[in-house]
Amino acid sequence: EAGVTQFPSHSVIEKGQTVTLRCDPISGHDNLYWYRRVMGKEIKFLLHFVKESKQDESGMPNNRFLAERTGGTYSTLKVQPAELEDSGVYFCASSHTGARWTGELFFGEGSRLTVL
Amino acid sequence: RKEVEQDPGPFNVPEGATVAFNCTYSNSASQSFFWYRQDCRKEPKLLMSVYSSGNEDGRFTAQLNRASQYISLLIRDSKLSDSATYLCVVSSSNTGKLIFGQGTTLQVKP
Repeated sequence: EAGVTQFPSHSVIEKGQTVTLRCDPISGHDNLYWYRRVMGKEIKFLLHFVKESKQDESGMPNNRFLAERTGGTYSTLKVQPAELEDSGVYFCASSHTGARWTGELFFGEGSRLTVL
Repeated sequence: RKEVEQDPGPFNVPEGATVAFNCTYSNSASQSFFWYRQDCRKEPKLLMSVYSSGNEDGRFTAQLNRASQYISLLIRDSKLSDSATYLCVVSSSNTGKLIFGQGTTLQVKP
């Protein structure tokens, strides 16, 4: 079974440009999450989709970030316009919806974003 | 103050050593507790959940003290393959919104 896949693995852009990150969750996982780790800091929650609906977007830093999950399958995270402080590793994770939550999220390897 | 605090290390230990990591959390409403492991430039992976009664998985033992808001992980008989960053993680909901510590780096040397 394929794991969570993310694209691109690394993106280098200039301040003011736009970048779109893509995440393909594990097939059948209704829950999809975006997290990010900026340099020297801990991994932080950005938002949570259940199927195509945003369940919790309390971690989104500002309106330059837009996440979508049309059709409830893959998700995209767009940063527009990118700022220097957006540099970091963006992780996507997924989990299935079950009767008992185990706390296990399956993470992708991350998309490393460098804003110059 | 960070919601989850860990000593970043690094911890450098010889093979076969026993090593302990500690973590404290600030939100007394936290319900679920975990240790995740992250290899260099890889994704975090669940190592084990942590229960109030303490739990063991092979060479790994996790403990939780709710009164002190303290979580620990003990690794016995360290292997070279245990070298990684160990992330202390808590959650105050059952939705997958996880709060991560900064991680403790372990390097096991031959």
